[in-house]
Amino acid sequence: AQSVSQHNHHVILSEAASLELGCNYSYGGTVNLFWYVQYPGQHLQLLLKYFSGDPLVKGIKGFEAEFIKSKFSFNLRKPSVQWSDTAEYFCAVNGAYEKLTFGTGTRLTIIP
Amino acid sequence: NAGVTQTPKFQVLKTGQSMTLQCAQDMNHEYMSWYRQDPGMGLRLIHYSVGAGITDQGEVPNGYNVSRSTTEDFPLRLLLAAPSQTSVYFCASSTDRGPGHEQFFGPGTRLTVL
Repeated sequence: AQSVSQHNHHVILSEAASLELGCNYSYGGTVNLFWYVQYPGQHLQLLLKYFSGDPLVKGIKGFEAEFIKSKFSFNLRKPSVQWSDTAEYFCAVNGAYEKLTFGTGTRLTIIP
Repeated sequence: NAGVTQTPKFQVLKTGQSMTLQCAQDMNHEYMSWYRQDPGMGLRLIHYSVGAGITDQGEVPNGYNVSRSTTEDFPLRLLLAAPSQTSVYFCASSTDRGPGHEQFFGPGTRLTVL
């Protein structure tokens, strides 16, 4: 069975700091990886996804993620965060013919 | 194009009551699903459907029923509400459950069971 781990439960950063949120998964085969974001009071929306090709994926709002197969990781990065990035971030994975499995989420708080 | 809509936005129930959470999408998506979101547990799949007339259980199906009579609608029924079902419920849809397909989420229903 597939699983996803997000080890950072709550991250607090100042504006302009760099961000990296960890995501590790376990699955024996080919996987598709996603990062979703949930802004306060809003529904989840897709930030970026990887399912093949270049392991460095660029998403909306300046976010990017790198798929490192040898480490079973798909960490989310942003070089300079803004106050508006305050949100909860979810990593998700689905293997071939598997349902989407979400991590427990990381709450990001940006201090102006 | 409204996307995925859910009603109600908030609901308070007493233990033992029943209710239906409504979900509709206007994107002609075949795949629809229900999740519950609890603090520290992320989103967990309750039930899903790969098309009208076809439903299946997810990770936490107990206490919930679904049906899919049309492509557009995918209601979630709580038969005998329990405090453990206090949660935020999200409906999502996708063109396919296959790899790489983005799921579109509704705004959620916040349910409290007393």
